[in-house]
Amino acid sequence: NAGVTQTPKFQVLKTGQSMTLQCAQDMNHEYMSWYRQDPGMGLRLIHYSVGAGITDQGEVPNGYNVSRSTTEDFPLRLLSAAPSQTSVYFCASSYSWTSGEKLFFGSGTQLSVL
Amino acid sequence: TQLLEQSPQFLSIQEGENLTVYCNSSSVFSSLQWYRQEPGEGPVLLVTVVTGGEVKKLKRLTFQFGDARKDSSLHITAAQPGDTGLYLCAGGTLEGGKLIFGQGTELSVKP
Repeated sequence: NAGVTQTPKFQVLKTGQSMTLQCAQDMNHEYMSWYRQDPGMGLRLIHYSVGAGITDQGEVPNGYNVSRSTTEDFPLRLLSAAPSQTSVYFCASSYSWTSGEKLFFGSGTQLSVL
Repeated sequence: TQLLEQSPQFLSIQEGENLTVYCNSSSVFSSLQWYRQEPGEGPVLLVTVVTGGEVKKLKRLTFQFGDARKDSSLHITAAQPGDTGLYLCAGGTLEGGKLIFGQGTELSVKP
């Protein structure tokens, strides 16, 4: 099993550009989520999904879109990149959305917006 | 908004010393998890506690969930250089679906 796979590993964008961060898991997990990690701020939840066709907002959803058309994939779209979106992005999944479930994380995407 | 305050943010100690990391909130959580993260990688789960007052041990690591389920601690005995990393606490919300992370504790253990 590959677990949670994120691509790309690194990305540099110019302000105003759009892009999609890819996330795929092969564990048949119901729950998938996107976090951003900034120095001194821990991980902050952007969006999450409790199953195919269902998404919801987390703590910091502005500027990001998600969709969940299949169980395996959960892409994160930046509509118009801003320097404030420079961060490390992590995708994570778990068997269910029940509190206490183990989250499996991808290895992250380091994004710089100039 | 539920917040988890983690302290200290940075900790630099010598091999063999003991240390404790704290995770505090004014909110009640249904579960509390501790993750460890190494540079360039995603966090990896160390432990989950779900019952107020629960204590779990993982070799030299001891985790405790507060009686009121608002706080937690991680104690490391006789730290080793291999313990170096970023330690994150995360609280599961009562309604489910969200995991709220603390700011993290950057631990450096020098030989």
